[in-house]
Amino acid sequence: AQTVTQSQPEMSVQEAETVTLSCTYDTSESNYYLFWYKQPPSRQMILVIRQEAYKQQNATENRFSVNFQKAAKSFSLKISDSQLGDTAMYFCAFVSLFGNEKLTFGTGTRLTIIP
Amino acid sequence: SQTIHQWPATLVQPVGSPLSLECTVEGTSNPNLYWYRQAAGRGLQLLFYSVGIGQISSEVPQNLSASRPQDRQFILSSKKLLLSDSGFYLCAWTKDFSYEQYFGPGTRLTVT
Repeated sequence: AQTVTQSQPEMSVQEAETVTLSCTYDTSESNYYLFWYKQPPSRQMILVIRQEAYKQQNATENRFSVNFQKAAKSFSLKISDSQLGDTAMYFCAFVSLFGNEKLTFGTGTRLTIIP
Repeated sequence: SQTIHQWPATLVQPVGSPLSLECTVEGTSNPNLYWYRQAAGRGLQLLFYSVGIGQISSEVPQNLSASRPQDRQFILSSKKLLLSDSGFYLCAWTKDFSYEQYFGPGTRLTVT
């Protein structure tokens, strides 16, 4: 079974600064995807970014980028030029490409952007 | 474009009462559908998933059940609610082999 670990329950950063959220995972599989989801105070889960395990290039979506280290089973999220709207819970998630597309989530990191 | 709806948005129910939460997806066909529960300050726990009409898989044995009477409709039910059923319930969908799950706005359930 896969596990996803987010070791930072809470983080805070000043507006416009850069912040990195950590995620590690454990799996014996070689083909999988990793995701970061954002859950703002409204509580609707929003997909932020996706990384395919077979790709060496790190995914980037505007101010959001990942540092994917497959051998280390590490998948961190970097938020550049942080904005007040980035305040949210952030969840790392794993899905195997062989199965029924069930996501395994970490316990989340609560990020607060300070004005 | 695809959209996912959930209702009600909030619900307060007494212990022992029945429950019915509904989720519908628009703009797609034959989606995979998922029910999650999120306790306060916690991560998401997968409850049920469905790959087609009438096909339900349960992840956690408990007081809840799910049904999929139509292609884009997913219902979460209980005959008798327990206090421990309180939480935030999220429905999600994904298209076959896309692996990206898209979530509805959620239902906040409080059992009193």
